[in-house]
Amino acid sequence: DQQVKQNSPSLSVQEGRISILNCDYTNSMFDYFLWYKKYPAEGPTFLISISSIKDKNEDGRFTVFLNKSAKHLSLHIVPSQPGDSAVYFCAAENNNNDMRFGAGTRLTVKP
Amino acid sequence: DADVTQTPRNRITKTGKRIMLECSQTKGHDRMYWYRQDPGLGLRLIYYSFDVKDINKGEISDGYSVSRQAQAKFSLSLESAIPNQTALYFCATSDPSPRTGYNEQFFGPGTRLTVL
Repeated sequence: DQQVKQNSPSLSVQEGRISILNCDYTNSMFDYFLWYKKYPAEGPTFLISISSIKDKNEDGRFTVFLNKSAKHLSLHIVPSQPGDSAVYFCAAENNNNDMRFGAGTRLTVKP
Repeated sequence: DADVTQTPRNRITKTGKRIMLECSQTKGHDRMYWYRQDPGLGLRLIYYSFDVKDINKGEISDGYSVSRQAQAKFSLSLESAIPNQTALYFCATSDPSPRTGYNEQFFGPGTRLTVL
């Protein structure tokens, strides 16, 4: 029972364009959402997060949007750079600190 | 130096063998976690510990056990390894953010385990 879903296993974009990674969740008890980035042979690293009381959080080139009614969040990267090529995991947490991860989306940014 | 270290980084073993994966952290966090990553399934929680005397089962604890030897050390054991435990294993640590109350976890580099 995957409570957090990333339906696109991979995404390829051109350098300088926008990358949009999507994530859906099923459990309405989740109220904190995170994106992690993972390079090969390394552990995931925290990228950006958003609380359920907000619908947008921006940090430099990275913006996360949350649509609670649709149980959907997305990560926008603008402009995309080759160094952004990695696997991106969406995660959702409830107030018991129970965190669930999606399956990941592999982003490739082409020069 | 890395804040969260895992040993070994790679291990090949045979069915039925006992295996221990170790995790150490220098972040001073109370909370520690063990996950496994499988293709198409993302990261799934095996066990977690909120302090030295606290051990909790995660989504997929069957076939695994853990030991929290100290605040800085959290080990994962496979008592009798089986091929479907072949996966990438990650240790993570966290403390609730004083600002949000939620956790941003810090991960180790992973251990690739192959059970033949």
